[in-house]
Amino acid sequence: DQQVKQNSPSLSVQEGRISILNCDYTNSMFDYFLWYKKYPAEGPTFLISISSIKDKNEDGRFTVFLNKSAKHLSLHIVPSQPGDSAVYFCAASDSNAGKSTFGDGTTLTVKP
Amino acid sequence: KAGVTQTPRYLIKTRGQQVTLSCSPISGHRSVSWYQQTPGQGLQFLFEYFSETQRNKGNFPGRFSGRQFSNSRSEMNVSTLELGDSALYLCASSLEGLGQGFSGANVLTFGAGSRLTVL
Repeated sequence: DQQVKQNSPSLSVQEGRISILNCDYTNSMFDYFLWYKKYPAEGPTFLISISSIKDKNEDGRFTVFLNKSAKHLSLHIVPSQPGDSAVYFCAASDSNAGKSTFGDGTTLTVKP
Repeated sequence: KAGVTQTPRYLIKTRGQQVTLSCSPISGHRSVSWYQQTPGQGLQFLFEYFSETQRNKGNFPGRFSGRQFSNSRSEMNVSTLELGDSALYLCASSLEGLGQGFSGANVLTFGAGSRLTVL
């Protein structure tokens, strides 16, 4: 049972446009959500997070939205840049269980 | 400050052999967790160590084991290697560990990984 799903393995957008990456989860005990970005030959790096008591968190070009009733979160990148091309992982954390679960990742390609 | 260091970066083994991977966390970080990444499988959680104790474990067979030393450095071992163990093994460190509250103390800092190929 995959508790965190990123249903789009890949996404391609034009430079300057908006990129929207989606993530769905099933465990209602998740109370903290994070996005990580991974370039080839490097480990994932933390990008942005949101706690379950909020529905939006913004950091520069990156905004994460959380819809608890739908168990859905999304990452918006505006405007997209070629350097944003990477694999993006969604992660969900259950504070009580002390566990974090990752999605399979979405490969974003931003075309110049 | 120095990041998370994993060694070796690349290694090739044959079926039936065993392998030990090493991870040096960021200074001051007490939690070290390990993940396996294979194409199309995302990041699969192996285990987490905190203050030399295994605090959580994923759904991997007993061939996968780990430990953490008093200086927070961690090793993972895979015995009786199988072809399906070929993967990128990632180590991550954090101040307080996985799922430990809302603060930035549970944000993971990853190493570059150890790429294992089993022939």
